[in-house]
Amino acid sequence: DTAVSQTPKYLVTQMGNDKSIKCEQNLGHDTMYWYKQDSKKFLKIMFSYNNKELIINETVPNRFSPKSPDKAHLNLHINSLELGDSAVYFCASSPPGAIPYSEQYFGPGTRLTVT
Amino acid sequence: GQNIDQPTEMTATEGAIVQINCTYQTSGFNGLFWYQQHAGEAPTFLSYNVLDGLEEKGRFSSFLSRSKGYSYLLLKELQMKDSASYLCAVAGGTSYGKLTFGQGTILTVHP
Repeated sequence: DTAVSQTPKYLVTQMGNDKSIKCEQNLGHDTMYWYKQDSKKFLKIMFSYNNKELIINETVPNRFSPKSPDKAHLNLHINSLELGDSAVYFCASSPPGAIPYSEQYFGPGTRLTVT
Repeated sequence: GQNIDQPTEMTATEGAIVQINCTYQTSGFNGLFWYQQHAGEAPTFLSYNVLDGLEEKGRFSSFLSRSKGYSYLLLKELQMKDSASYLCAVAGGTSYGKLTFGQGTILTVHP
Protein backbone atom coordinates (compact mmCIF):
# COMPACT_ATOMS: atom_id res chain seq x y z
CA ASP A 1 0.00 0.00 0.00
CA THR A 2 1.16 3.53 -0.71
CA ALA A 3 1.17 5.50 2.50
CA VAL A 4 3.02 7.20 5.29
CA SER A 5 3.98 4.67 7.93
CA GLN A 6 5.39 5.12 11.41
CA THR A 7 6.90 2.75 13.93
CA PRO A 8 6.22 2.10 16.67
CA LYS A 9 2.51 2.88 17.05
CA TYR A 10 2.77 2.92 20.83
CA LEU A 11 5.80 3.69 22.93
CA VAL A 12 5.85 3.57 26.72
CA THR A 13 9.10 4.46 28.39
CA GLN A 14 10.56 5.98 31.53
CA MET A 15 11.86 9.45 32.12
CA GLY A 16 15.46 9.89 31.15
CA ASN A 17 15.45 7.26 28.42
CA ASP A 18 16.36 7.87 24.78
CA LYS A 19 13.97 6.69 22.08
CA SER A 20 13.47 6.91 18.33
CA ILE A 21 10.41 7.00 16.10
CA LYS A 22 10.73 6.06 12.46
CA CYS A 23 8.76 7.34 9.50
CA GLU A 24 8.71 6.21 5.90
CA GLN A 25 6.68 7.34 2.93
CA ASN A 26 6.42 5.60 -0.43
CA LEU A 27 4.41 8.34 -2.11
CA GLY A 28 7.43 9.85 -3.86
CA HIS A 29 7.06 13.07 -1.87
CA ASP A 30 9.92 15.49 -1.38
CA THR A 31 8.90 17.07 1.90
CA MET A 32 8.39 15.37 5.25
CA TYR A 33 7.30 16.73 8.62
CA TRP A 34 7.10 15.89 12.29
CA TYR A 35 4.17 17.17 14.33
CA LYS A 36 3.34 16.88 18.02
CA GLN A 37 -0.29 16.63 19.13
CA ASP A 38 -0.68 17.22 22.84
CA SER A 39 -3.48 16.24 25.19
CA LYS A 40 -5.46 19.33 24.20
CA LYS A 41 -5.30 18.13 20.58
CA PHE A 42 -3.22 21.03 19.30
CA LEU A 43 -1.20 19.85 16.32
CA LYS A 44 2.10 21.70 16.19
CA ILE A 45 4.83 21.52 13.60
CA MET A 46 8.24 20.53 14.94
CA PHE A 47 10.45 19.93 11.92
CA SER A 48 10.31 19.71 8.17
CA TYR A 49 12.76 18.34 5.63
CA ASN A 50 12.74 18.94 1.90
CA ASN A 51 14.92 16.54 -0.08
CA LYS A 52 16.87 15.68 3.08
CA GLU A 53 17.45 19.34 3.93
CA LEU A 54 16.08 20.81 7.16
CA ILE A 55 13.75 23.68 6.27
CA ILE A 56 11.56 24.12 9.34
CA ASN A 57 12.93 23.91 12.85
CA GLU A 58 10.44 25.25 15.32
CA THR A 59 11.19 26.10 18.93
CA VAL A 60 11.78 22.55 20.06
CA PRO A 61 14.18 21.45 22.82
CA ASN A 62 17.46 20.23 21.38
CA ARG A 63 16.74 16.85 22.99
CA PHE A 64 14.72 16.30 19.81
CA SER A 65 16.82 15.54 16.76
CA PRO A 66 15.38 14.67 13.36
CA LYS A 67 17.36 12.69 10.81
CA SER A 68 16.57 12.18 7.17
CA PRO A 69 18.77 9.48 5.61
CA ASP A 70 16.94 9.87 2.29
CA LYS A 71 13.87 11.72 1.11
CA ALA A 72 11.59 8.77 1.87
CA HIS A 73 12.55 8.56 5.54
CA LEU A 74 12.44 10.98 8.42
CA ASN A 75 13.24 9.70 11.89
CA LEU A 76 12.88 11.47 15.22
CA HIS A 77 15.26 10.78 18.07
CA ILE A 78 14.45 12.03 21.55
CA ASN A 79 17.06 12.14 24.31
CA SER A 80 16.46 12.29 28.05
CA LEU A 81 12.70 11.90 27.80
CA GLU A 82 10.54 14.04 30.10
CA LEU A 83 6.95 13.66 31.27
CA GLY A 84 5.93 16.61 29.09
CA ASP A 85 7.06 14.76 25.98
CA SER A 86 4.02 12.48 26.31
CA ALA A 87 1.93 13.13 23.21
CA VAL A 88 1.04 11.71 19.84
CA TYR A 89 3.72 12.33 17.24
CA PHE A 90 2.63 12.44 13.61
CA CYS A 91 4.82 12.21 10.59
CA ALA A 92 3.52 13.73 7.35
CA SER A 93 4.65 14.23 3.78
CA SER A 94 3.65 16.47 0.91
CA PRO A 95 4.25 16.26 -2.82
CA PRO A 96 6.48 18.57 -4.85
CA GLY A 97 4.93 21.11 -7.17
CA ALA A 98 4.52 24.75 -8.03
CA ILE A 99 2.30 25.30 -5.01
CA PRO A 100 4.47 24.71 -1.96
CA TYR A 101 1.50 24.48 0.29
CA SER A 102 0.20 21.19 -0.96
CA GLU A 103 -1.93 18.95 1.16
CA GLN A 104 -0.05 16.92 3.67
CA TYR A 105 -0.50 13.18 4.12
CA PHE A 106 -0.25 12.05 7.71
CA GLY A 107 1.03 8.81 9.15
CA PRO A 108 -1.01 6.92 11.78
CA GLY A 109 0.79 8.54 14.69
CA THR A 110 2.99 7.27 17.52
CA ARG A 111 1.52 7.58 20.98
CA LEU A 112 4.42 8.25 23.35
CA THR A 113 3.84 7.85 27.06
CA VAL A 114 6.62 8.82 29.44
CA THR A 115 6.26 7.53 33.00
CA GLY B 1 2.97 35.23 14.42
CA GLN B 2 -0.23 33.38 13.66
CA ASN B 3 -3.42 33.01 15.64
CA ILE B 4 -6.24 30.68 14.64
CA ASP B 5 -9.56 30.45 16.40
CA GLN B 6 -12.37 27.94 15.98
CA PRO B 7 -15.12 26.70 18.30
CA THR B 8 -14.13 23.88 20.60
CA GLU B 9 -17.23 21.75 20.18
CA MET B 10 -20.40 21.56 18.12
CA THR B 11 -23.30 19.16 17.96
CA ALA B 12 -25.73 18.52 15.13
CA THR B 13 -28.36 16.04 14.01
CA GLU B 14 -28.00 13.41 11.33
CA GLY B 15 -29.19 14.75 7.98
CA ALA B 16 -28.73 18.38 9.00
CA ILE B 17 -26.24 21.03 7.84
CA VAL B 18 -23.49 22.39 10.06
CA GLN B 19 -21.06 25.26 9.57
CA ILE B 20 -17.73 25.31 11.39
CA ASN B 21 -16.10 28.73 11.48
CA CYS B 22 -12.44 29.60 11.61
CA THR B 23 -10.90 33.03 12.05
CA TYR B 24 -7.23 33.69 11.67
CA GLN B 25 -4.57 36.35 11.97
CA THR B 26 -1.38 35.63 10.15
CA SER B 27 1.76 37.28 8.87
CA GLY B 28 1.79 36.13 5.27
CA PHE B 29 -0.93 33.95 3.81
CA ASN B 30 -0.63 31.11 1.34
CA GLY B 31 -3.91 29.35 1.81
CA LEU B 32 -6.16 27.71 4.34
CA PHE B 33 -6.69 24.00 4.81
CA TRP B 34 -9.37 21.96 6.51
CA TYR B 35 -8.53 18.53 7.86
CA GLN B 36 -10.74 15.89 9.45
CA GLN B 37 -9.45 13.80 12.33
CA HIS B 38 -11.38 10.89 13.81
CA ALA B 39 -10.53 9.97 17.37
CA GLY B 40 -7.28 8.02 17.55
CA GLU B 41 -6.55 8.46 13.87
CA ALA B 42 -4.46 10.67 11.61
CA PRO B 43 -5.74 13.94 10.15
CA THR B 44 -6.95 13.62 6.56
CA PHE B 45 -7.17 16.43 4.03
CA LEU B 46 -10.60 17.86 3.23
CA SER B 47 -10.09 21.15 1.39
CA TYR B 48 -7.76 23.98 0.43
CA ASN B 49 -8.70 27.59 -0.27
CA VAL B 50 -6.25 30.22 -1.42
CA LEU B 51 -8.64 32.57 -3.25
CA ASP B 52 -11.80 34.14 -1.87
CA GLY B 53 -14.96 32.19 -2.44
CA LEU B 54 -16.54 28.82 -2.05
CA GLU B 55 -14.99 25.47 -2.96
CA GLU B 56 -17.43 22.60 -3.13
CA LYS B 57 -16.56 18.93 -2.84
CA GLY B 58 -19.53 16.67 -2.54
CA ARG B 59 -21.17 17.09 0.86
CA PHE B 60 -18.34 19.36 2.05
CA SER B 61 -17.76 22.98 1.05
CA SER B 62 -15.20 25.46 2.29
CA PHE B 63 -15.35 29.24 2.09
CA LEU B 64 -12.61 31.83 2.42
CA SER B 65 -12.57 35.60 2.88
CA ARG B 66 -9.00 36.82 3.02
CA SER B 67 -9.93 40.40 3.84
CA LYS B 68 -11.87 39.23 6.90
CA GLY B 69 -9.43 36.50 7.93
CA TYR B 70 -12.34 34.09 7.93
CA SER B 71 -13.17 30.65 6.65
CA TYR B 72 -15.90 28.13 7.21
CA LEU B 73 -16.41 24.47 6.51
CA LEU B 74 -19.94 23.50 5.58
CA LEU B 75 -21.05 19.92 5.98
CA LYS B 76 -24.36 18.91 4.42
CA GLU B 77 -26.53 15.82 4.88
CA LEU B 78 -24.67 14.95 8.03
CA GLN B 79 -23.92 11.32 8.73
CA MET B 80 -22.90 9.66 11.97
CA LYS B 81 -19.45 9.01 10.49
CA ASP B 82 -18.92 12.79 10.25
CA SER B 83 -18.45 12.86 14.03
CA ALA B 84 -14.81 13.90 14.26
CA SER B 85 -12.51 16.82 14.98
CA TYR B 86 -12.22 19.39 12.20
CA LEU B 87 -8.93 21.24 12.06
CA CYS B 88 -8.45 24.60 10.40
CA ALA B 89 -4.86 25.23 9.31
CA VAL B 90 -3.24 28.27 7.77
CA ALA B 91 -0.24 28.16 5.47
CA GLY B 92 1.71 31.33 5.93
CA GLY B 93 4.81 33.03 7.15
CA THR B 94 8.16 32.49 5.59
CA SER B 95 8.73 28.82 6.25
CA TYR B 96 8.19 26.59 3.26
CA GLY B 97 5.23 24.32 3.79
CA LYS B 98 4.54 25.39 7.36
CA LEU B 99 0.98 24.88 8.53
CA THR B 100 -0.32 26.39 11.74
CA PHE B 101 -3.31 24.50 13.08
CA GLY B 102 -6.20 25.67 15.20
CA GLN B 103 -7.18 23.56 18.20
CA GLY B 104 -9.88 21.79 16.23
CA THR B 105 -13.66 21.66 16.52
CA ILE B 106 -15.08 18.40 17.85
CA LEU B 107 -18.30 17.73 15.96
CA THR B 108 -20.75 15.22 17.40
CA VAL B 109 -23.55 14.05 15.13
CA HIS B 110 -26.62 12.67 16.90
CA PRO B 111 -29.24 10.36 15.36
